[in-house]
Amino acid sequence: GENVEQHPSTLSVQEGDSAVIKCTYSDSASNYFPWYKQELGKRPQLIIDIRSNVGEKKDQRIAVTLNKTAKHFSLHITETQPEDSAVYFCAATSNYQLIWGAGTKLIIKP
Amino acid sequence: DGGITQSPKYLFRKEGQNVTLSCEQNLNHDAMYWYRQDPGQGLRLIYYSQIVNDFQKGDIAEGYSVSREKKESFPLTVTSAQKNPTAFYLCASSIGLTFEQFFGPGTRLTVL
Repeated sequence: GENVEQHPSTLSVQEGDSAVIKCTYSDSASNYFPWYKQELGKRPQLIIDIRSNVGEKKDQRIAVTLNKTAKHFSLHITETQPEDSAVYFCAATSNYQLIWGAGTKLIIKP
Repeated sequence: DGGITQSPKYLFRKEGQNVTLSCEQNLNHDAMYWYRQDPGQGLRLIYYSQIVNDFQKGDIAEGYSVSREKKESFPLTVTSAQKNPTAFYLCASSIGLTFEQFFGPGTRLTVL
């Protein structure tokens, strides 16, 4: 079946530095790519999403880039803050479902 | 945190028992989903429903059942056939299958 690979599984960055999380998808028909943030014990919440007709989208310190040819997309967080510590999930549509990555635990070091 | 609710927050089940997890939404969303999340893992789709009276199996439907008799409600039953049901269960809804999914607060199920 279709899958989404997410790397790295854990990312530790110094507060104020940038963080980048990458995902690769297998279904060339995928057209919607959301990113969710999940704090410990809480529900996942959408932080940014992108559709296949757009190459990049930015919202304050968060940006997502999409490379349809290579079938990968990335989450970029600039000027990281302690509240950015969480698990981040990427996903991609396939056969009208969302296929989820395994998650990246982002640790912000003070 | 209104919009989509789940109950109970914590649920304990004895082996051999069926239990039902509740999911209700007042967002007027057509699509609803059930996911299972194990510690340190991602989300795995159990069932989803695009419209009332219709639902589809996800990747791990064995041992689970659902119904969609009302647009607002999508209950999940964990049957005794599910051999390892201890997990965090998340319900979600969206206006369509390729749009933002809004999640409920989750139910943590433990088998005693």
